[in-house]
Amino acid sequence: GAGVSQSPRYKVAKRGQDVALRCDPISGHVSLFWYQQALGQGPEFLTYFQNEAQLDKSGLPSDRFFAERPEGSVSTLKIQRTQQEDSAVYLCASSSYEVPYGYTFGSGTRLTVV
Amino acid sequence: AQKVTQAQTEISVVEKEDVTLDCVYETRDTTYYLFWYKQPPSGELVFLIRRNSFDEQNEISGRYSWNFQKSTSSFNFTITASQVVDSAVYFCALRPASGGSYIPTFGRGTSLIVHP
Repeated sequence: GAGVSQSPRYKVAKRGQDVALRCDPISGHVSLFWYQQALGQGPEFLTYFQNEAQLDKSGLPSDRFFAERPEGSVSTLKIQRTQQEDSAVYLCASSSYEVPYGYTFGSGTRLTVV
Repeated sequence: AQKVTQAQTEISVVEKEDVTLDCVYETRDTTYYLFWYKQPPSGELVFLIRRNSFDEQNEISGRYSWNFQKSTSSFNFTITASQVVDSAVYFCALRPASGGSYIPTFGRGTSLIVHP
């Protein structure tokens, strides 16, 4: 596609509910990143894929967070048993090189846990 | 460890004023890349510039200019003759150029409000 697409755009979840956030990167982009952006803060790294391989997941805040990219294109970030502190915008970025020089971001998914 | 500091939380200017957004970084890497992104209200981060650490030439693109000072670990961004459409949150970011970690670290951002 023309850009990085994320869905849903907004998600309201009740505390304890599981959620799945989707990222469609630009077609052919090798690298994919997930970031969490709390209100008034900068993006914080969550995890990084190169094709289908998850090369770094050091930023995932707990074992409730899980990401996958099974075919090296679309990625899903799953949060189990959501908590209020999970409320944030989740941003996805992709890059066309194995050694990324530039990153194209999606518009994000705003998750609100009530 | 890498760190990016954007000390200005919010800047408010009147249209046509010049404004400089500060970015100071910390890194142990000898080679690295610096970035600036713009985040309008729609939410996506829009790429503005990438600068590698061994190129200290300043850059100008229209009303935008960037001043990279390796000696002071700063990469400041100036908008000349600001416009209302420049209102957004601006982020500075840093990542190593080698070593296998290609993950950018972002600052907290500076919110720029340009009043008509």
